[in-house]
Amino acid sequence: GAVVSQHPSWVICKSGTSVKIECRSLDFQATTMFWYRQFPKQSLMLMATSNEGSKATYEQGVEKDKFLINHASLTLSTLTVTSAHPEDSSFYICSATPSGSYYEQYFGPGTRLTVT
Amino acid sequence: GNSVTQMEGPVTLSEEAFLTINCTYTATGYPSLFWYVQYPGEGLQLLLKATKADDKGSNKGFEATYRKETTSFHLEKGSVQVSDSAVYFCALARSGSARQLTFGSGTQLTVLP
Repeated sequence: GAVVSQHPSWVICKSGTSVKIECRSLDFQATTMFWYRQFPKQSLMLMATSNEGSKATYEQGVEKDKFLINHASLTLSTLTVTSAHPEDSSFYICSATPSGSYYEQYFGPGTRLTVT
Repeated sequence: GNSVTQMEGPVTLSEEAFLTINCTYTATGYPSLFWYVQYPGEGLQLLLKATKADDKGSNKGFEATYRKETTSFHLEKGSVQVSDSAVYFCALARSGSARQLTFGSGTQLTVLP
């Protein structure tokens, strides 16, 4: 089946630094990737939609200058949390939709970010 | 806006018991409805889906029927197994945008042998 990986699986950083999270579709091309954030015991919240070769579309309330998304190829999207603060600590999950597909969406295993 | 309300867990059942996890939604238009499952250490996987009213999605013994009159999409399985232990998420996709999902809070299911 289709596989989506995320790297790193967990990261600890100091307040004020930036962290980059990678999302890769390993065996398919993905025109569209999505970034979600999950708080403990809460649902996944869609942060942004990332389309290859164009600017990401952010959901209301998500700071686009803080959460930089780049979708430079059909198999890679990156999320950079800039000037991280403790309130940015969370579980970040990406998903990818195969090019030409409508309903299919494959999820990565997530990245745990802790900001100290 | 769109929202999904899901039965709170955790749910603990004995093997071969009947499972129901309730899910109701609020949405404009005609959303598509999904159940995703997350096994420990893995990403979410699509379990089943229904794209219009009265559709029944089914997979691996799980079923859910899209009930527009009650805005519900309850997940059921007649006889659970230990291997069904996981977190289950109900989700909807906005009308006209099948891939942008709104999730419920998830329900942890533990099945005991």
